[in-house]
Amino acid sequence: NAGVTQTPKFRVLKTGQSMTLLCAQDMNHEYMYWYRQDPGMGLRLIHYSVGEGTTAKGEVPDGYNVSRLKKQNFLLGLESAAPSQTSVYFCASSSSNSNQPQHFGDGTRLSIL
Amino acid sequence: AQSVTQPDIHITVSEGASLELRCNYSYGATPYLFWYVQSPGQGLQLLLKYFSGDTLVQGIKGFEAEFKRSQSSFNLRKPSVHWSDAAEYFCAVGASGGYQKVTFGTGTKLQVIP
Repeated sequence: NAGVTQTPKFRVLKTGQSMTLLCAQDMNHEYMYWYRQDPGMGLRLIHYSVGEGTTAKGEVPDGYNVSRLKKQNFLLGLESAAPSQTSVYFCASSSSNSNQPQHFGDGTRLSIL
Repeated sequence: AQSVTQPDIHITVSEGASLELRCNYSYGATPYLFWYVQSPGQGLQLLLKYFSGDTLVQGIKGFEAEFKRSQSSFNLRKPSVHWSDAAEYFCAVGASGGYQKVTFGTGTKLQVIP
């Protein structure tokens, strides 16, 4: 039982490059989330999805796009990376019951030079 | 809008000593409350959660937390800290209805000294 798997674990990009982070969950969860974690700021929600084919903006969506073509996968894209997007990115998933906790992946450490 | 405050950025305790990490929340209704732990290089792991009922909740690894509505607090406690408890701890508050909107605190980093 893998839970939530994030790919890749580390990546270094140059400013202006694009890339996609992949999140996969095997718990049949309806909801999926992308957060970024920066020192002293906790976790901030970038985008989320409440089901296959649906996405919505979170707290800090600018510069990111997402897609959820399959229920088990949630992709986060950076079209033109900027140094301000250097961060650790976490994917999470949860069932549709709001009293159930979110399950997190191990994170992707992304550096933009 | 909901919010969470963890007033202590960094705490140092001796191994075997007791621990209390503070968490204050702001939310108009009865909140869903969570404590997560993050070890270096890892994701967040759920320690415990509160939704309703008994205000003292037990979690994994010997942790417990008490919900105090009058103080808008949900402090995390452990009677005797082990070196392996060194990590960062996040309090979070969730709202009912709609998608699961969870707001995280900024975290408290725990250092355990021998």
